[in-house]
Amino acid sequence: EVQLVESGGVVVQPGGSLRLSCAASGFTFDDYTMHWVRQAPGKGLEWVSLISWDGSRTYYADSVKGRFTISRDNSKNSLYLQMNSLRPEDTALYYCAKDQDPTGTVTYFDYWGQGTLVTVSS
Amino acid sequence: EIVMTQSPATLSVSPGERATLSCRASQSVSINLAWYQQKPGQGPRLLIYGASTRATGVPARFSGSGSGTEFTLTISSLQSEDFAVYYCQQYNKGGTFGQGTKVEIK
Repeated sequence: EVQLVESGGVVVQPGGSLRLSCAASGFTFDDYTMHWVRQAPGKGLEWVSLISWDGSRTYYADSVKGRFTISRDNSKNSLYLQMNSLRPEDTALYYCAKDQDPTGTVTYFDYWGQGTLVTVSS
Repeated sequence: EIVMTQSPATLSVSPGERATLSCRASQSVSINLAWYQQKPGQGPRLLIYGASTRATGVPARFSGSGSGTEFTLTISSLQSEDFAVYYCQQYNKGGTFGQGTKVEIK
């Protein structure tokens, strides 16, 4: 059974930093592109970032470019999102999602985690 | 950026009835379109990809159609577990989602 379990979400002040983690199991982690997708309270889904199977390709939404960094550790079956210079508009539930493709493009997301909540507030 | 527009925002349907959800793209996305179901407190679940292919384990009452800029998700006979929010997502160029359609009990 595929499982994606996010962690690391907390309340942080504007301008602060945070690192989210996603622990993956039930599939060959290093065969697939992985994503972060977020959902602001009561709002829709927004794609944030992706990383190819080997980490060689990363892409970001314009809203987070230059502030967020995605990474992965295939030896630990883990995905990460380093979030710097956080803004109130970054407040959201952050989901880890598995792509069905390895190459580092966005296709569709065949498995999602339950999300971890990041609140940016003073 | 390709903008995805879903309609209606809310659909009130009685159990056993048919539900038809629409999704429109601001430019052609070919058949690179997926549909997801999201229930309260849960992550989204993939229902349809390639505009019309059901994901593993998705009941046959869910069907997708369309190409280019106009897409439809049909739930042929609504069950109690189908009341949820549904999102479309294009992946022809990047990945953008519609704003969602909430299917509620009439």
